[in-house]
Amino acid sequence: AQTVTQSQPEMSVQEAETVTLSCTYDTSESDYYLFWYKQPPSRQMILVIRQEAYKQQNATENRFSVNFQKAAKSFSLKISDSQLGDAAMYFCAFPGAQKLVFGQGTRLTINP
Amino acid sequence: GAGVSQSPSNKVTEKGKDVELRCDPISGHTALYWYRQRLGQGLEFLIYFQGNSAPDKSGLPSDRFSAERTGESVSTLTIQRTQQEDSAVYLCASTLGISYEQYFGPGTRLTVT
Repeated sequence: AQTVTQSQPEMSVQEAETVTLSCTYDTSESDYYLFWYKQPPSRQMILVIRQEAYKQQNATENRFSVNFQKAAKSFSLKISDSQLGDAAMYFCAFPGAQKLVFGQGTRLTINP
Repeated sequence: GAGVSQSPSNKVTEKGKDVELRCDPISGHTALYWYRQRLGQGLEFLIYFQGNSAPDKSGLPSDRFSAERTGESVSTLTIQRTQQEDSAVYLCASTLGISYEQYFGPGTRLTVT
């Protein structure tokens, strides 16, 4: 069974600094997708970024980028130039057997 | 265009009562998911509908939980004889397929007193 592990329950960063959120997963598949979702206090889940495993290039969306290490089964999210609006719960997700498996989440606090 | 909508946004019920939660997916999305999120926790998969295929009910925690979906439209999640441990936010998501982004609704916060 696929599992997703986020080892950092909470992280904090100074505004304008860079922070990296960790995620590891376990799978026997070779081709798959990985996702990072953001859940602000409004509780609306929003897709931050998606990575296709067969692509060697790390995905990037503006200030958000991933460090995808397929062999290590690691999928970390880097947020550059952190902004107050980035404060949220962040979930790493992996599609297993037609349903997304979510990590337990990392609560990110931005200090002004 | 319209996103995923859920109703009610909040529901308070007494232990032992039945509740029905509704999800309106994005038009054209063949797949629909229900998740449960307890306070401060991650998302727990409940059930998955894909087109006219038999739903994947493997995440339903007990036989008090059931869900229906007619075609590719509205879905309802029913919890019978609610218990206090059912208190959580229930999230619905729809998507074109497992490799695509899941679009989430705002959730229904259920409180069982």
